Amino acid sequence: GAGVSQSPRYKVAKRGQDVALRCDPISGHVSLFWYQQALGQGPEFLTYFQNEAQLDKSGLPSDRFFAERPEGSVSTLKIQRTQQEDSAVYLCASSSTLDSDTQYFGPGTRLTVL
Amino acid sequence: EDQVTQSPEALRLQEGESSSLNCSYTVSGLRGLFWYRQDPGKGPEFLFTLYSAGEEKEKERLKATLTKKESFLHITAPKPEDSATYLCAVLGVNSNSGYALNFGKGTSLLVTP
Repeated sequence: GAGVSQSPRYKVAKRGQDVALRCDPISGHVSLFWYQQALGQGPEFLTYFQNEAQLDKSGLPSDRFFAERPEGSVSTLKIQRTQQEDSAVYLCASSSTLDSDTQYFGPGTRLTVL
Repeated sequence: EDQVTQSPEALRLQEGESSSLNCSYTVSGLRGLFWYRQDPGKGPEFLFTLYSAGEEKEKERLKATLTKKESFLHITAPKPEDSATYLCAVLGVNSNSGYALNFGKGTSLLVTP
């Protein structure tokens, strides 16, 4: 079956631009997570959705970061007024109710802010 | 605060040379310990979940074990295709650690022919 997909795979933005990153979770997965991975580091938690409800956004680094999942499936991570320190790989993961502990990751979006 | 430390940071092995990767953790109530494999330019690929001390899981040349303080990923007779970064992560029972994976920095493994 299809796994988690993310688009675009690569995004180059000029400092100050807004960007939107999309995540399509595995069909039927109710939980969705966003992580940020800097070069040479492990992924770090950003935010968590259960269906359309954003239950935790404590990992979002600033109010320039915003995530939504309006219909409980596709999610979008938006970054406003991008800064160079936002350059990273943004990973999306999803998990099912049957095995809520196991998170399956997408390929990530590599964001480069110039 | 939950903490995950992986060692070594990098490991170079010859094909067939068995070794182990270490993941030390501190967590206020372990709910699960996870191993992922990550290839360059790709997302983490799930390998194993371990829930309690003494538990072991195997998949091909990989075997993961768990104690109360650490986990080992044993690689037996590795092949060049085992080259990747191996990530360890924990889930705890408290606050957002109950659903947000807390990752180590990973061990970069290179297996040469």
